[in-house]
This record gives sequence, C-alpha cells and structure tokens, in this order.
Amino acid sequence: GQQLNQSPQSMFIQEGEDVSMNCTSSSIFNTWLWYKQDPGEGPVLLIALYKAGELTSNGRLTAQFGITRKDSFLNISASIPSDVGIYFCAGQQGGAQKLVFGQGTRLTINP
Amino acid sequence: SQTIHQWPATLVQPVGSPLSLECTVEGTSNPNLYWYRQAAGRGLQLLFYSVGIGQISSEVPQNLSASRPQDRQFILSSKKLLLSDSGFYLCAWSRSTRIQPQHFGDGTRLSIL
Repeated sequence: GQQLNQSPQSMFIQEGEDVSMNCTSSSIFNTWLWYKQDPGEGPVLLIALYKAGELTSNGRLTAQFGITRKDSFLNISASIPSDVGIYFCAGQQGGAQKLVFGQGTRLTINP
Repeated sequence: SQTIHQWPATLVQPVGSPLSLECTVEGTSNPNLYWYRQAAGRGLQLLFYSVGIGQISSEVPQNLSASRPQDRQFILSSKKLLLSDSGFYLCAWSRSTRIQPQHFGDGTRLSIL
C-alpha cells in the first residue's frame, strides 16, 4: 500500500538545539498532518496543513506543506525535555477517509 | 468539545481467549471511526474504519473484527486471540466532512500470554 518515507528514524540532540524532520512520498497528498506520541499514549495532533506551500506554526513548532504536494517538514526550535517522543507525519489523499502514516521519528534529548 | 474514550487501558489475555475493546466518542455526531494497531517502536497500521452505523471497512486480513452498533461506539473483537495479536490498539475519530484530521484515544496495551 501507500507509504510515506519519514526521516530521520531517530535523533539524539542536546537541549536547546533545533530539530528538523521530513516526510516524502511519490504520490500527491491533499493534507499533511504532524502528530506527537508520548510513551503509552495515543498520538496528539500538532499541526494540520491543507494547502500546497502552506507554512504553519504552533509555538516552537513550524511545519510546511511542500509545493509539489509530495512532502512536508516539521521543525522544532530550541528543544526542551518535554519534546521527547515519537513524531509521525500523516497524509490524506483526495476525498479518502483514511490517513497514510510515516514510520515515525524518535526524538531523544540530552539535558 | 469532543472527547474519545478507550477501555481498558491495559489487558492481559491468554491465547485462545476472546477479546472486546470499546471506544466511544462524545461531543460530535456521525464521526468517522478508526482502529489502529501499533507494534512496539513501530508505526500505525490501520485495521478497520467506519463511516456510519453498521458500516465497517477492513484494511488487512486478520483474526480481528470490528462493529459499530451505535453512532459513537466502535468495538474491536476477536473470538480467539493469537500471540501475534499483542500490541497497542488505538481508536481514532474524525469529522465526516472532507479533509479532517484524526484524533486519537489513549490506547489499549494488549498482552497475549
């Protein structure tokens, strides 16, 4: 089935550093979503993107919907310990009721 | 505001036993409902989704089934659990209008012994 290529798979950074992760696909998506999952909990929606080229911020998080509609990135500025977790991208095609998820980026922060 | 509830939070079951996980949504009508499974350290695998009462779409052949007896209730079941059914099960909902993000419950950790 359809897949999103999310990278990197894991990141080990120092507190205060900026973080960047991205998702790419060979197919066009109409919606890109970014989620964060803490251990033992369900993913929480961080940012939703609905238009090609759209750049949206949520506090220290910034995400962009690629102009080709085949990719998206998420940046986190000045990381803090509570940013630790797994970040998932997800895409929606056309009028589909389903999402396609990336495999996740595991973020670890050294204090 | 809308909320989604899943229970139980954790479950330990013997191989061959039946399963019933329940998910309910409050604060919205006619939501789309989804069941996912997540293996440890892995991504989310869509198992079933429903766009209305009694309407179930299955994504992968497996030992599980889903039912939607009421508008805001989604149930994941099995008649006989396998060891491979262990995992973290997540329920999600979205509005039924076009292009809506999904919102997840807190999940059920299922361990099969």
